[in-house]
Amino acid sequence: SQQGEEDPQALSIQEGENATMNCSYKTSINNLQWYRQNSGRGLVHLILIRSNEREKHSGRLRVTLDTSKKSSSLLITASRAADTASYFCATDAWGGSNYKLTFGKGTLLTVNP
Amino acid sequence: DSGVTQTPKHLITATGQRVTLRCSPRSGDLSVYWYQQSLDQGLQFLIQYYNGEERAKGNILERFSAQQFPDLHSELNLSSLELGDSALYFCASSVSGRGANVLTFGAGSRLTVL
Repeated sequence: SQQGEEDPQALSIQEGENATMNCSYKTSINNLQWYRQNSGRGLVHLILIRSNEREKHSGRLRVTLDTSKKSSSLLITASRAADTASYFCATDAWGGSNYKLTFGKGTLLTVNP
Repeated sequence: DSGVTQTPKHLITATGQRVTLRCSPRSGDLSVYWYQQSLDQGLQFLIQYYNGEERAKGNILERFSAQQFPDLHSELNLSSLELGDSALYFCASSVSGRGANVLTFGAGSRLTVL
């Protein structure tokens, strides 16, 4: 089963607007990551936030993490047409000696020029 | 180019057949991960290897197997293929198998089973 679930499933905005995507997860995590996937291509890592961090910035990206609510959000400011892609959150968890990075189903972001 | 190389890029085969997908990790990365991506199931973790040893197992079917070789490249073998195995198969690599791992993904192998 998926650990993380992104919301909304799809988001369409105009260029220049901000885009916010949310991720909820079920069990305790060590870290949460966001990845981006252009249609049919491999995923590209965007940002990692550790469980003891609440907010992190990288360029036009802002990620928040609320471990009490088991949720994270990804904000893309001043969006561009090139930001059109699917965005996935990924959570890691330890189960004994097993380490797994589990992805949600993603949010499809469309930025209209 | 992410540095993770996957071959073949596209593969079309028939039900009941067997295929092998190959992955060369980014230089310096010791850990390899395999994921399956389909429209209905999303991105499913299959298996992870670290320096030649199996480290974690996910939703990998018994018909599927994988290994990581001494030169760190990995192969995913899919046998007795079914229509439902049609998907994008991604390989990813990371420096280590523990801690806060950032994965570098390959471009994927698109498998179509007819």
